[in-house]
Amino acid sequence: GEDVEQSLFLSVREGDSSVINCTYTDSSSTYLYWYKQEPGAGLQLLTYIFSNMDMKQDQRLTVLLNKKDKHLSLRIADTQTGDSAIYFCAEYQSYNTDKLIFGTGTRLQVFP
Amino acid sequence: EAQVTQNPRYLITVTGKKLTVTCSQNMNHEYMSWYRQDPGLGLRQIYYSMNVEVTDKGDVPEGYKVSRKEKRNFPLILESPSPNQTSLYFCASSPRGRRTSGGYNEQFFGPGTRLTVL
Repeated sequence: GEDVEQSLFLSVREGDSSVINCTYTDSSSTYLYWYKQEPGAGLQLLTYIFSNMDMKQDQRLTVLLNKKDKHLSLRIADTQTGDSAIYFCAEYQSYNTDKLIFGTGTRLQVFP
Repeated sequence: EAQVTQNPRYLITVTGKKLTVTCSQNMNHEYMSWYRQDPGLGLRQIYYSMNVEVTDKGDVPEGYKVSRKEKRNFPLILESPSPNQTSLYFCASSPRGRRTSGGYNEQFFGPGTRLTVL
């Protein structure tokens, strides 16, 4: 199957860490992505990870990949109100189609 | 500025009235794609194009048409819109076979078109 699953909502207090989780099904995926969608806007690439990596850190963002369990997570340290958005994970399926399979999206709400 | 543009951004129409949503990119990308976004379903691919004159169906192509006569443009056509096509539509593009700062196959998205079919 091609389902990429995420929980729909996450609510955190400003200053806390947020962890957004994603499970995917295609073990041959070579790239996994996190996109951010702010209200009224399109998606923007936030970060990505190669499938041969376990972890990638980029400032406040940490991506963890567990290939055995097909589990991807995005940790946002010191979450700010500007981080409130919908976050989509996506897997790169195939060079033949250049297809990205997107998850359902997680709406992150940051409260003061 | 490198970007993907879509027009219109908002559209309210009635059942059966043909419409076209335009998409244009200025990055010389080979690959272009249309998605629809619905609550709880994420983004689902409608059609994609690997290059000029090459188009193929995505996961939810029924009721839609596309064309790719030029590299920069990829219009989405709804010949006879129905209420179940009420959705938020995104166009995206990416360079094929080339790494960008966002990795391989980073897709660049337009701002979205919110369509309501009454």
